Amino acid sequence: DARVTQTPRHKVTEMGQEVTMRCQPILGHNTVFWYRQTMMQGLELLAYFRNRAPLDDSGMPKDRFSAEMPDATLATLKIQPSEPRDSAVYFCASGPGQIPTNEKLFFGSGTQLSVL
Amino acid sequence: KQEVTQIPAALSVPEGENLVLNCSFTDSAIYNLQWFRQDPGKGLTSLLLIQSSQREQTSGRLNASLDKSSGRSTLYIAASQPGDSATYLCAVRRNSGAGSYQLTFGKGTKLSVIP
Repeated sequence: DARVTQTPRHKVTEMGQEVTMRCQPILGHNTVFWYRQTMMQGLELLAYFRNRAPLDDSGMPKDRFSAEMPDATLATLKIQPSEPRDSAVYFCASGPGQIPTNEKLFFGSGTQLSVL
Repeated sequence: KQEVTQIPAALSVPEGENLVLNCSFTDSAIYNLQWFRQDPGKGLTSLLLIQSSQREQTSGRLNASLDKSSGRSTLYIAASQPGDSATYLCAVRRNSGAGSYQLTFGKGTKLSVIP
């Protein structure tokens, strides 16, 4: 059963530390999204990749966040330095290459990040 | 800018009741609309996807309708069960141009089905 895999599931860190979140998209999917979910804002798009190229990262604070796809099976989201306001659940999602599409988007289980 | 609103934010019903969840969006130029389910501590699972040319989609006890011109969608759950307890989110995809890759989400309706 194909699924999006995210690691770690939970991360507690201290302010100022680097945080790296990883995502393995579904094999064959060539679009990858990073979303952040908070109680106040709901789900917000942070970054969008297509064929491993970043096409939109306007939702990320550029000074501290970075997103990459070293290869087709791995997407990473880094925060350096982390701040308490970064505490949220970070979701990765993958989908087929055609945009727009009537294919469903598949989400990972998320990384629950707590920055103390 | 597209805005998606879901009302109510929370809903509690006794087991066996039929119920309707509501979703409204401000820009009718959408490509499709999806309903997702989110369980506590879990990711989102896509339940139903309605293309802009469609009026409704059905899967088991779930029926989603779309009225694009009025900017509304409903998710109907028949004969609710405790296992249906979760947060339900709707999301719309823009139909063209910049941002058509992006889903805009509502904040969800938290459903509790009481045994």
